Amino acid sequence: GAGVSQSPSNKVTEKGKDVELRCDPISGHTALYWYRQSLGQGLEFLIYFQGNSAPDKSGLPSDRFSAERTGGSVSTLTIQRTQQEDSAVYLCASLETSINPRTDTQYFGPGTRLTVL
Amino acid sequence: KNQVEQSPQSLIILEGKNCTLQCNYTVSPFSNLRWYKQDTGRGPVSLTIMTFSENTKSNGRYTATLDADTKQSSLHITASQLSDSASYICVVSARSGNTPLVFGKGTRLSVIA
Repeated sequence: GAGVSQSPSNKVTEKGKDVELRCDPISGHTALYWYRQSLGQGLEFLIYFQGNSAPDKSGLPSDRFSAERTGGSVSTLTIQRTQQEDSAVYLCASLETSINPRTDTQYFGPGTRLTVL
Repeated sequence: KNQVEQSPQSLIILEGKNCTLQCNYTVSPFSNLRWYKQDTGRGPVSLTIMTFSENTKSNGRYTATLDADTKQSSLHITASQLSDSASYICVVSARSGNTPLVFGKGTRLSVIA
């Protein structure tokens, strides 16, 4: 079956512009995460969605960042008024719920490389 | 503060040799620890997952160990291959279930012929 997909794979934008990044999770996965990875840095948690519960937005770095998940499936991460420090790879992951939640495995998409000029 | 530290930052080894990557964490309360492999330009792929009751877990030539008392984990790669060249990321969950994870910065492994 298909894995997690993300689009676009690469995005170059000018400072101050808005961008939208899309994530299509694995069908049936109830949880969806967004992370970003700056050059040479580890993964930084941004936001996650779990079913119909209110999303955990605690990782969003500023109010310029927002995300939504429609119909419990596709998610869009929006960055408004982009800044150069927003340049990073943005990764999406969906989670397969297992009987033992301690061994859940996240499945990552290929990421979107965002470059803000 | 929950943190995950990995060492070395980068490593170069000859094909066929073994290597060990280290991960120390201060995440509490501990739920599980995962090792991921991330090829350049790709998303991370899970190698192993261990809970506090597991000391070792293998996945082919990859063997992960966990010492929950000292809060240390290692990933041992046996008989390395050129395709093992990647970043290896240690990830620790502070709680069980669908909650955010704490990521290390990874070790960049290069296997050369």
